[in-house]
Amino acid sequence: QSVLTQPPSASGTPGQRVTISCSGSSSNIGSNNVYWYQQLPGMAPKLLIYRNNQRPSGVPDRFSGSKSGTSASLAISGLRSEDEADYYCAAWDDSLSAVGFGGGTKLTVL
Amino acid sequence: QLQLQESGPGLVKPSETLSLTCTVSDASITSSNYYWGWVRQSPGKGLEWIGSISYSGTTYYNPSLKSRVTLFVDTSKSQFSLNLNSVTAADTAVYYCARHFSGRTTWYSGWFDPWGQGTLVTVSS
Repeated sequence: QSVLTQPPSASGTPGQRVTISCSGSSSNIGSNNVYWYQQLPGMAPKLLIYRNNQRPSGVPDRFSGSKSGTSASLAISGLRSEDEADYYCAAWDDSLSAVGFGGGTKLTVL
Repeated sequence: QLQLQESGPGLVKPSETLSLTCTVSDASITSSNYYWGWVRQSPGKGLEWIGSISYSGTTYYNPSLKSRVTLFVDTSKSQFSLNLNSVTAADTAVYYCARHFSGRTTWYSGWFDPWGQGTLVTVSS
């Protein structure tokens, strides 16, 4: 069972806007920054969002992150076929003294 | 730009020790702004943080694995290593090394960037 809760799947058609949620608690998302990773099939995870809503250089502005209370969200606008991947959220958990990850959301572009 | 590469045996027998090394290239391993971490992913499952180490040897481990994990760093070789003892089939996973950024006021964060390509380790007799 993962520390952070994500929906197992999400889908959208090209050009659509899709949102992936990440639910936690006061000991993780509620008190620490959230990070998002994209994992393309057969590849290592890649940082997509850091400190809740910051994009590393090279990440398109179609990707955006937000956080409110004990939940966070990743939004992908202008969906493209190459966005089809697994997406993970992560945050430090003060109670566990460990990094907690979400179980991952498999995004399908229809 | 910074690159990380895992190396080590792809097959380990149950009850033995899993040993992996991560080589850091094109950047210094001796910055105080980040740690060097290990994350694993069991087949078809999610991600699990194993632990992280600073260039000076300060270590932090996931409490769920702490009794079996040891991390080492060799700055002269720009390498850091993982030992996981008493392995079972449940330790079969792809093991990734990654640079682990510190928070603004804490050593910890959920920020890993970049990641190595990963190496599959199978525990089987």
